[in-house]
Amino acid sequence: DAGVIQSPRHEVTEMGQEVTLRCKPISGHDYLFWYRQTMMRGLELLIYFNNNVPIDDSGMPEDRFSAKMPNASFSTLKIQPSEPRDSAVYFCASRPSSTDTQYFGPGTRLTVL
Amino acid sequence: KQEVTQIPAALSVPEGENLVLNCSFTDSAIYNLQWFRQDPGKGLTSLLLIQSSQREQTSGRLNASLDKSSGRSTLYIAASQPGDSATYFCAVGAGNNRKLIWGLGTSLAVNP
Repeated sequence: DAGVIQSPRHEVTEMGQEVTLRCKPISGHDYLFWYRQTMMRGLELLIYFNNNVPIDDSGMPEDRFSAKMPNASFSTLKIQPSEPRDSAVYFCASRPSSTDTQYFGPGTRLTVL
Repeated sequence: KQEVTQIPAALSVPEGENLVLNCSFTDSAIYNLQWFRQDPGKGLTSLLLIQSSQREQTSGRLNASLDKSSGRSTLYIAASQPGDSATYFCAVGAGNNRKLIWGLGTSLAVNP
């Protein structure tokens, strides 16, 4: 299996621009998670989906952040407009319903200038 | 509110040494506890998962223990190798939806 796939791996943009991060979970996994990792705050859960339905978005920082999962094999995390404080590594993870073990993608390093 | 603390924040040891990483959590009402490893510039990899009813799990040179009543877990690495150098995270699954609550990690350097 190819594992969780994220794109792009690196993104550099200017403040105010829209940013879209993409994730393809492992086939057959029912749960998908979006995390943000920074030195100051560590790993933060932003939102997670079960069977393509958002279950808990309480970690989404503000209305500038939105996430969708139109089908079982694709999810996006969008930031509009982006701000320098959004600079972080964003991880996508997935897991099947049969286990609590999460499988992480390689992450997208976002830099907002 | 569940909080997870990892001590030490950083650790440097010579190759071959046995070592222990510590994790503590404030609320004993957990479903499970997991240990992950993160190599620089990479995603996280699950190492061990301990269900709340279990006391320990082992995988190769790794052994993780769980003491729910005291709110503690340890990750024991035997005969450390330079390839073990990474950041190790502890996370507890808690709440109705079993969300993972994360520690800030321990950065381990094993020197040849």
